[in-house]
This record gives sequence, C-alpha cells and structure tokens, in this order.
Amino acid sequence: DTGVSQNPRHKITKRGQNVTFRCDPISEHNRLYWYRQTLGQGPEFLTYFQNEAQLEKSRLLSDRFSAERPKGSFSTLEIQRTEQGDSAMYLCASSPRAGSSNEQFFGPGTRLTVL
Amino acid sequence: GEDVEQSLFLSVREGDSSVINCTYTDSSSTYLYWYKQEPGAGLQLLTYIFSNMDMKQDQRLTVLLNKKDKHLSLRIADTQTGDSAIYFCAEIPYPNDRGSTLGRLYFGRGTQLTVWP
Repeated sequence: DTGVSQNPRHKITKRGQNVTFRCDPISEHNRLYWYRQTLGQGPEFLTYFQNEAQLEKSRLLSDRFSAERPKGSFSTLEIQRTEQGDSAMYLCASSPRAGSSNEQFFGPGTRLTVL
Repeated sequence: GEDVEQSLFLSVREGDSSVINCTYTDSSSTYLYWYKQEPGAGLQLLTYIFSNMDMKQDQRLTVLLNKKDKHLSLRIADTQTGDSAIYFCAEIPYPNDRGSTLGRLYFGRGTQLTVWP
C-alpha cells in the first residue's frame, strides 16, 4: 500500500498524559500537513512541512503541541499534558512538490480520546 | 471552516442525481476540491478544479464553478448506496491573502449524503 499511513489508529489516554502520533507520507511527497477534525466539523489545519522545514503553524497549535519531520520523511505530532478538549481525529496528508495542483492525500487518521 | 459553507444534509433515492453545493470565500482561490469521508475513515480526494475552469467532468462526477458567485457544486450521476458519506468542499486561498503559504486547505463542515434504496 503506497498511501499515507498513520499510527496508532486509536489512542485512549488519561488527562495529563503525553501522546505521540506518527505519519508516513506517500513516498517522494515533500509536503506534509497535520489537521484536526472534531465531530460534525471539517478538518482544521494545524501545521505544514516542506521537507524537514516547518513552514506554517496554526494558532490552534498551542505550546502543548509539537510536530517534527526530522529527515523530511515521516512526521510525529506530540501532545503534552493532554486535555479533554484535545479529543479529536488527527489527520495527516501529503502532497507532491510545488507547482502541482497541490492535491492532498489523507491518511486514515488517529482518533484520540482523552478521559 | 466557517468561511466555506455547505448545506449539512442531502437525501436522494438510488439512481437519482445528487447535487451538493458549496459557497467559498476567496475569489482568488486557486484550487477547489471535493473530498469524501466515510464513517471512521480519512478523507478521499474525489476531484478538484482550477479556478480558471467552469466545469470538470470525471465519470459520474461533474464539478461546476461559478466564480462570480463564488459557488461550487458537485453533481453525482446515478447515485448509489455506496455514495452515502460526508462530502467536503475545500479551498486554497491565494497565497498570503490570509497570511498563509500556498497549500493550507480550508474546509466546509461537510454535507451528509444519504442514499435510499
């Protein structure tokens, strides 16, 4: 399967714990995005990488959130001191290099439940 | 998401056509997209249209773009029960108009399409 993969698919944690999610983009896609989706809403942008550089962060990405893409391939999203309001589906997407139609291909998501 | 608007629900009978409508905000948006999301799954890119086009057809899907009214629609011909899902409209505004680089998608809330047998 050459699509975007995300792990884990589901995560249940207690308030105050730290969690980390991983995203593996489509091979050779140099752009990688993180979005968050809550029930009944469309995805909301969190952050964006071009290769290993983090080029944009949403104001939704508080100090408790950090994302990395150290080698320009997979990415991790860490949430520290989780809160119940962090419960959501976290979606990762990748797209080819600039100059294309910027089609973004999404992974299956990681559903986070904070108890 | 609050700037891209879609009606929340649409019900059609199997075999009929479905038309899902979307109003977007940025008249200089470069690309507009339609995504499909089935329960518990990620988003599947269905089709996209560049802003200098009026129409794009891809098998059972037809996208119509009215730039003057900032209105986008997705028509699904011969709708099947397997088409039941949430459909999202999304736009990429012109770079820097919202202080954003090219690439950040703005989504609507989605339209829940229910197809009855």
